[in-house]
Amino acid sequence: GQQLNQSPQSMFIQEGEDVSMNCTSSSIFNTWLWYKQDPGEGPVLLIALYKAGELTSNGRLTAQFGITRKDSFLNISASIPSDVGIYFCAGRTTGNQFYFGTGTSLTVIP
Amino acid sequence: DVKVTQSSRYLVKRTGEKVFLECVQDMDHENMFWYRQDPGLGLRLIYFSYDVKMKEKGDIPEGYSVSREKKERFSLILESASTNQTSMYLCASSEQGKNEKLFFGSGTQLSVL
Repeated sequence: GQQLNQSPQSMFIQEGEDVSMNCTSSSIFNTWLWYKQDPGEGPVLLIALYKAGELTSNGRLTAQFGITRKDSFLNISASIPSDVGIYFCAGRTTGNQFYFGTGTSLTVIP
Repeated sequence: DVKVTQSSRYLVKRTGEKVFLECVQDMDHENMFWYRQDPGLGLRLIYFSYDVKMKEKGDIPEGYSVSREKKERFSLILESASTNQTSMYLCASSEQGKNEKLFFGSGTQLSVL
């Protein structure tokens, strides 16, 4: 199946810094989902987006559904140590197939 | 909150054994999915089901089968486990509709020796 291009692959940041990551696709999606996964655990849904241009927040997290419907962005403001983990995106096509990004590994240095 | 429960967090099996991975969701979701997750390969879809007794092959169904006898339960079966099936297995469910979201279980780390 198709994998989405997610960048960056990994990030090492100081506590308190802001973080940005994005996913791009060659296909048009009608849904973008962002997940966080801790080691040995299942992914936890953070934010869901359903309309082109939509901007949605969940606490310090903000995600946007790109206007072209082929990309999405996740921002984390004022990072804290518990933000450590792997973040990945998922997109759903009009054919109801889900595709997943390769993940961004986030390390927060206290 | 949606709860997707996978029966085992860790499993160790021997080559050739028949393995059952169980998944139960409590939100009356129509759709259920089985993925495996491997380093560098991301999530790959094994099988999915849109309704009771229905099943569809995903991207990598070889060596696996599934069973959906009740709406809330979706089982993944490894008929004869092999070492290349060592992986993290993730079950997910979703409600059919325009604003579909995937909810995952905690995963089962399977080691086949």
